[in-house]
Amino acid sequence: SQTIHQWPATLVQPVGSPLSLECTVEGTSNPNLYWYRQAAGRGLQLLFYSVGIGQISSEVPQNLSASRPQDRQFILSSKKLLLSDSGFYLCAWSWGGLPADEQFFGPGTRLTVL
Amino acid sequence: EDQVTQSPEALRLQEGESSSLNCSYTVSGLRGLFWYRQDPGKGPEFLFTLYSAGEEKEKERLKATLTKKESFLHITAPKPEDSATYLCAVTFGSSNTGKLIFGQGTTLQVKP
Repeated sequence: SQTIHQWPATLVQPVGSPLSLECTVEGTSNPNLYWYRQAAGRGLQLLFYSVGIGQISSEVPQNLSASRPQDRQFILSSKKLLLSDSGFYLCAWSWGGLPADEQFFGPGTRLTVL
Repeated sequence: EDQVTQSPEALRLQEGESSSLNCSYTVSGLRGLFWYRQDPGKGPEFLFTLYSAGEEKEKERLKATLTKKESFLHITAPKPEDSATYLCAVTFGSSNTGKLIFGQGTTLQVKP
């Protein structure tokens, strides 16, 4: 069976500090990977998606970046955090190469920028 | 503009009181509509996928239906453990990446 992990679970960072959130998927190969942000009381906003190693597409211009150094590893980064970066960050995966398939979400990372 | 709208934003039910949640969408070329359940502080949990108008899916007390413009999530005789936020999402167009657009969700509270 497939499992998706995210860490850390919670993070409190000062404004201007760097960020690195990690997501890994087990039990599948060549998945599509996604990063979403969910602000308080708001829906999920797609930030980045990847269909393969080194292939990253950005949906929203911001001070965040994503990388996919390995097939089942997806990393969300920032060089300098802003207050507006606070939120609940979710990683998701779907079966690679197949359209219109459901996405499966990880447990999320709660980020608070002070 | 491609968008997904869910109503109501919040719903309070007594245990056993059946109701429906609505998800309306305005996208070109719907490829799939998805329902998720999200508990506080957790990631969304996949419930259903619907691909074409007239399709229905069931799971325990939940039943999802799809028309050309909207989807309904029917909850029959809900229990307190059904309390959660229910999210609707769609994927559309020719892209094969499966990018989802989410609605804002309906927060359901079921009182015993």
